[in-house]
Amino acid sequence: GESVGLHLPTLSVQEGDNSIINCAYSNSASDYFIWYKQESGKGPQFIIDIRSNMDKRQGQRVTVLLNKTVKHLSLQIAATQPGDSAVYFCAERTGGGNKLTFGTGTQLKVEL
Amino acid sequence: EAGVTQSPTHLIKTRGQQATLRCSPISGHTSVYWYQQALGLGLQFLLWYDEGEERNRGNFPPRFSGRQFPNYSSELNVNALELEDSALYLCASSSRDRGYGYTFGSGTRLTVV
Repeated sequence: GESVGLHLPTLSVQEGDNSIINCAYSNSASDYFIWYKQESGKGPQFIIDIRSNMDKRQGQRVTVLLNKTVKHLSLQIAATQPGDSAVYFCAERTGGGNKLTFGTGTQLKVEL
Repeated sequence: EAGVTQSPTHLIKTRGQQATLRCSPISGHTSVYWYQQALGLGLQFLLWYDEGEERNRGNFPPRFSGRQFPNYSSELNVNALELEDSALYLCASSSRDRGYGYTFGSGTRLTVV
């Protein structure tokens, strides 16, 4: 079946650098996308979302880009901090209701 | 406002036993979702309840079941536990309005020995 996937399972960045986490999705009918952050021992935490009628959305230090032409989603984190170390999941919503399909996740490691 | 609460935090069961996990959604949220997260893996969709009804089910055997109560809290039951059922079980809730992501609880860590 269709699923959401991630290009890189692990991403290591230096503190202060910008991070880019990528996600590929295959369902062109998906209309809503979310990025979640999961720290060790905790449940996923909402970071930012974007609807399919947008191509960019900014939050505090985070930006999500959506390229529907190539079915690609990315999360940019500016000035990455040690507290950003976590697993990041992208998720897509397809069809009726509010069921989300999650990708396998990317481990972000911030090096001091 | 209280978040999504799950209980117990940890649960240890013997193979073949039954496990019951509980979830209380955010006040005002009518939908509850259950996900299984095996160690080091992504979230696998289990069940979705809304207004007391099962709306969708993931690719899991029938021994995974649940229900939603009139106050929108939910239970997940796993019968005939197998070692592979060891995982973090996450509950999330959302409102009916489209465009709102889930709010997750901290999960129940189920260990089957």
